[in-house]
Amino acid sequence: EDQVTQSPEALRLQEGESSSLNCSYTVSGLRGLFWYRQDPGKGPEFLFTLYSAGEEKEKERLKATLTKKESFLHITAPKPEDSATYLCAVQADSGGSNYKLTFGKGTLLTVNP
Amino acid sequence: NAGVMQNPRHLVRRRGQEARLRCSPMKGHSHVYWYRQLPEEGLKFMVYLQKENIIDESGMPKERFSAEFPKEGPSILRIQQVVRGDSAAYFCASSPVREGNQPQHFGDGTRLSIL
Repeated sequence: EDQVTQSPEALRLQEGESSSLNCSYTVSGLRGLFWYRQDPGKGPEFLFTLYSAGEEKEKERLKATLTKKESFLHITAPKPEDSATYLCAVQADSGGSNYKLTFGKGTLLTVNP
Repeated sequence: NAGVMQNPRHLVRRRGQEARLRCSPMKGHSHVYWYRQLPEEGLKFMVYLQKENIIDESGMPKERFSAEFPKEGPSILRIQQVVRGDSAAYFCASSPVREGNQPQHFGDGTRLSIL
């Protein structure tokens, strides 16, 4: 069974204090790893897709990287508006159902001014 | 707003009543997915539909839950005879194709509360 574990569960940073969020996964044939951002009372907002080990994607203060076992979401010089829950999800070659997203429980990021 | 639209945003039902949740996918998207988010849990896949077809309902409870995506109109997730354990946030997502090279885009969900 596909599994996704995110750490830490919660992270508090001061504005400008860079850090990383971790997503470890166990799947039988990774098709894609996805990062989403979720604000309170809202749905997940798509950030990045990574497909193969060594791949990196960047968007403003965020950079996502991928290895064969985990992904990191690096946040450089965060601002209070980066506060949100960050979700990691995988799609895998699981019996032909490669459309299913398996999510981790998320990391709640709080950036204090 | 051309995003995924879900309604209602909040729904309160008493035990034993029916809940109907609606989802209109993004323009140009013909693949719809429903996920459920229980408190302190991650989002869990429920069902995958294309127009007039249920492709995979393996994540949906076999009793009381059903889903449809008619030729015209929104996708509907229907929960009959609701129980307290059905209280959750239900999210709909859509994509233009089935494979992983296109991300699924989510609506803002329906928060279902059972009294």
